[in-house]
Amino acid sequence: DVKVTQSSRYLVKRTGEKVFLECVQDMDHENMFWYRQDPGLGLRLIYFSYDVKMKEKGDIPEGYSVSREKKERFSLILESASTNQTSMYLCASSPRAGPIHGYTFGSGTRLTVV
Amino acid sequence: KNQVEQSPQSLIILEGKNCTLQCNYTVSPFSNLRWYKQDTGRGPVSLTIMTFSENTKSNGRYTATLDADTKQSSLHITASQLSDSASYICVVSRRGGNNRKLIWGLGTSLAVNP
Repeated sequence: DVKVTQSSRYLVKRTGEKVFLECVQDMDHENMFWYRQDPGLGLRLIYFSYDVKMKEKGDIPEGYSVSREKKERFSLILESASTNQTSMYLCASSPRAGPIHGYTFGSGTRLTVV
Repeated sequence: KNQVEQSPQSLIILEGKNCTLQCNYTVSPFSNLRWYKQDTGRGPVSLTIMTFSENTKSNGRYTATLDADTKQSSLHITASQLSDSASYICVVSRRGGNNRKLIWGLGTSLAVNP
């Protein structure tokens, strides 16, 4: 069964900490994405990547960075966590023609920053 | 402005009943529309995709319709089951778009009660 795996389901971090969220896919997909999901705001795109070492800003990149050193792995980095980054974080992947094939999502990481 | 609006925001039905969820969009130029199901605490899973030329598509007890003239889509659930309790999210892709050009709705939260 193909899947997107996020390393943690629940995470609690302190304000100011550097936080790494890891995502691995086993479908050999070119595209990978990081979204955050908040009540009343829906899914918002943080960053995405078309290929290894390639990255592009989404709609809300401030306070985040990403890394894609290998095709199967896409990491989201919170350089200095803040309470307004408390959210559900969803990783997704898709073949190159993503909007037609659809996205495969991971189960999400619920991050709480205290 | 490109927008996707879903209604109702939430819905409660009894097991075995049918229901219809609505999605209205103002996205242009239109490429396709996809419905996702998101169980609580999980990532979204694709149910069906509708392209410009398709009016109706079924996936088991789920039937999606698309009226490209009025820019409306619906998701009809037949003979609901407790496992249908979830959030249903409509997302529209813009033609010629890269992966930034997905416009997400806020979802309809469906609760199926015994």
